[in-house]
Amino acid sequence: QLQLQESGPGLVKPWETLSLTCSVSGGSISSSDHYWGWVRQPPGKGLEWIGSIYYSGNTYYDPSLKSRVTISVDTSQNHFSLKLSSVTAADTAVYYCARLVRGAEKKTYFDYWGQGTLVTVSS
Amino acid sequence: DIQMTQSPSSLSASVGDRVTITCRASQGIASWLAWYQQKPEKAPKSLIYAASSLQDGVPSRFSGSGSGTDFTLTISSLQPEDFATYYCQQYDSYPLTFGQGTRLEIK
Repeated sequence: QLQLQESGPGLVKPWETLSLTCSVSGGSISSSDHYWGWVRQPPGKGLEWIGSIYYSGNTYYDPSLKSRVTISVDTSQNHFSLKLSSVTAADTAVYYCARLVRGAEKKTYFDYWGQGTLVTVSS
Repeated sequence: DIQMTQSPSSLSASVGDRVTITCRASQGIASWLAWYQQKPEKAPKSLIYAASSLQDGVPSRFSGSGSGTDFTLTISSLQPEDFATYYCQQYDSYPLTFGQGTRLEIK
């Protein structure tokens, strides 16, 4: 059974960099059939896609966050990471890591999700 | 960006009811649509992909339909564990975008 587990600080100061890691167990992050992604959910609001990465390092980012986001993958550690720079209170959210299936026509959709981790931006 | 609009935003129903949630895309997305269920304080759960294909383990009372711009999620006979928020999501093109959610409550 695939499991994803987010880890990282729960509190980040304004204008600093948010850093999270998603550890993958029960499956290989080097799978050619999958992408790996990050989704966030501000308190009381809906889901927002942040970005996705392939094991080769190919990435896609939401344009509204692209200037501040870096997603990377470490195949030797079977994990992938999120960095979001210059955070403000608007970045306070539960951050989920997830696996995406690389299906027909290379379209990707989510199948497995981590439990999520709350990151609060506050001084 | 492709905008996804769900209706209604909230819905009250009873156990055993048949319920339908609608999702509309701002432009055609063929059948590249997924549905997710989220319970309070929990991670989303993947229900449907390709508009109508059930993820493994999802009960058959859930079904999806549609193509192009208009899609529906139907629960044929509501069970107590189905009361949750439901999101649609398009994956035709980047950026991936979600609907605003439909909260399904017990009447």
